[in-house]
Amino acid sequence: EPEVTQTPSHQVTQMGQEVILRCVPISNHLYFYWYRQILGQKVEFLVSFYNNEISEKSEIFDDQFSVERPDGSNFTLKIRSTKLEDSAMYFCASSDPGLEFTDTQYFGPGTRLTVL
Amino acid sequence: DAKTTQPTSMDCAEGRAANLPCNHSTISGNEYVYWYRQIHSQGPQYIIHGLKNNETNEMASLIITEDRKSSTLILPHATLRDTAVYYCIACYTGRRALTFGSGTRLQVQP
Repeated sequence: EPEVTQTPSHQVTQMGQEVILRCVPISNHLYFYWYRQILGQKVEFLVSFYNNEISEKSEIFDDQFSVERPDGSNFTLKIRSTKLEDSAMYFCASSDPGLEFTDTQYFGPGTRLTVL
Repeated sequence: DAKTTQPTSMDCAEGRAANLPCNHSTISGNEYVYWYRQIHSQGPQYIIHGLKNNETNEMASLIITEDRKSSTLILPHATLRDTAVYYCIACYTGRRALTFGSGTRLQVQP
């Protein structure tokens, strides 16, 4: 069964450093997403991406964040200058909306980001 | 998106049906009801969704009341591997962002 993959599984970085989290969505999917979950808190939407541009973003997704689909398979989330509060699990998801335009998002296993 | 309300936690005996309720009294006519679950710290897993009619797939059944103000997710024969947090989400046709609440923590007991 096709699945979303994410690398690395765990990333440790120093405050102020840039990090890039990588995702390989399911191959025929068209919409891509990033969510995050701070330990013990809710899963929060960050951004969605379609046709090589951001289609929706939350207020969490400020100028420190960016997304990119650098090639036909990868989807990346970059945090330019990490802060302690960026420590969280980051989940990538992808979906292939059918004729009814409903979402069935398939999530990856997540990348645990720890900012020291 | 309509707000959903779920019990904080539930227990279920292994092998028995787990019935997880969700209230979405302000749901509008074109909002779907989605169910996802999250096992420990893994990525959320899609279970099922519906608009008006009851739905069934290999994982679960979704019963939506006629007035659409509430729904119930049914896991017909719960196993220990079904222990997870279950999220009920209402969202519009065409929206892409999923808004996760706190969900129901289901503990399946041996």
